[in-house]
Amino acid sequence: EVQLLESGGGLVQPGGSLRLSCAASGFTFTTYAMSWVRQAPGKGLEWVSTIIGSGDRTYYADSVKGRFTSSRDNSKNTLSLQMNSLRAEDTAIYYCAKHDPYCSGGRCYMGAFDIWGQGTMLIVSS
Amino acid sequence: QSVLTQPPSASGTPGQRVTISCSGSSSNLGVNYAYWYQHLPGTAPKVLIYRNNQRPSGVPDRFSGSKSGTSASLAISGLRSEDEADYYCATWDDSLSGWVFGGGTKLTVL
Repeated sequence: EVQLLESGGGLVQPGGSLRLSCAASGFTFTTYAMSWVRQAPGKGLEWVSTIIGSGDRTYYADSVKGRFTSSRDNSKNTLSLQMNSLRAEDTAIYYCAKHDPYCSGGRCYMGAFDIWGQGTMLIVSS
Repeated sequence: QSVLTQPPSASGTPGQRVTISCSGSSSNLGVNYAYWYQHLPGTAPKVLIYRNNQRPSGVPDRFSGSKSGTSASLAISGLRSEDEADYYCATWDDSLSGWVFGGGTKLTVL
């Protein structure tokens, strides 16, 4: 069974740091791009970051660029999100999600967020 | 302010058909596929429609998607009480080099 399990959430003071993890199982982890998506209280889904299968390329939302770093350890089937300089507006449930890639016209694309974890809660408050 | 624009709410009675719209631009929906997600509070979001109009196995054929130009739509026919949830459209934005979501539509089954 394909599963994603996030961990590492908690309460952090503004300006602090935290590292989230996502343990993947049931699929060949290194083959798939992975993303972080968050939902702030009372708000909608917001994409945070994507990392391709090899880990060589990452993408970030402008709201977190320069503060968050996504990485992966393909030997341990683990995705991580290092979050620095945290702000109150980073308070959210953070989901990791697997992509379902497809190829067309000689190019391959990340595709849908097809599997999601249950999320881990981050609260940034003094 | 979301890059993709959805109505904040929609409603219908059991058995009705409802449609949720998603409006984007030439750098996102104009050139990339639309995806639709269903999200019930406290649970993991679930993909309903991928690549504009494809349904994953297990998603009832009551759910359908379409895209034209820079807009996409999700239609739910034969509305059921368990369809009450938040619905989000999403796509890749070539200008932003990132994924973008709509603000979400809260569907109420009256």
